[in-house]
Amino acid sequence: KNEVEQSPQNLTAQEGEFITINCSYSVGISALHWLQQHPGGGIVSLFMLSSGKKKHGRLIATINIQEKHSSLHITASHPRDSAVYICAAFLAGGTSYGKLTFGQGTILTVHP
Amino acid sequence: DAGVIQSPRHEVTEMGQEVTLRCKPISGHNSLFWYRQTMMRGLELLIYFNNNVPIDDSGMPEDRFSAKMPNASFSTLKIQPSEPRDSAVYFCASSLYRIVGQEFETQYFGPGTRLLVL
Repeated sequence: KNEVEQSPQNLTAQEGEFITINCSYSVGISALHWLQQHPGGGIVSLFMLSSGKKKHGRLIATINIQEKHSSLHITASHPRDSAVYICAAFLAGGTSYGKLTFGQGTILTVHP
Repeated sequence: DAGVIQSPRHEVTEMGQEVTLRCKPISGHNSLFWYRQTMMRGLELLIYFNNNVPIDDSGMPEDRFSAKMPNASFSTLKIQPSEPRDSAVYFCASSLYRIVGQEFETQYFGPGTRLLVL
């Protein structure tokens, strides 16, 4: 079992829908990272969070440390949101941030 | 700022050759990350530096891989000797790590180097 699990693996939505991607982890972490990778291959860091909630435009990321769970929400989805979304957890370790472990990614397709 | 700069963008080499990938982080950032992405294994963190010092290299696959950061504006990832299984896209990213709060800010990724080892 992976230390970081994402769901769903594939997600198809219609433009305008509210989207949620989930990330669960089974070990102690010091921070969680949400990444977006577009079909062209470029990677964009969306959020790095260790508690609470962060918002940027139509994107919202939340984390519940007790439940070992994070969610990425997209409001009013748009076809340009189509991408692979990856969560990655910095495992708590001897160094300040420890080892970074990745989920398998969620492929999101938003249809017009 | 031009963002994170990686070179070369593409590299094709033969097994056994030395490969050097280069990265210039965003000016003012104090943390630098090297990642590898393959279809089989997805995205993996190889090593990251804080203030030019390697902090965690547990992701480096084996002794054939080495990374250096001689100064705040330059890092290299070297593979010697290269093998076909090293074929992947290698990303470099930089970030600002705030000691107060012990928090990384957003990471900015370079465009990647697509490596093919024949």
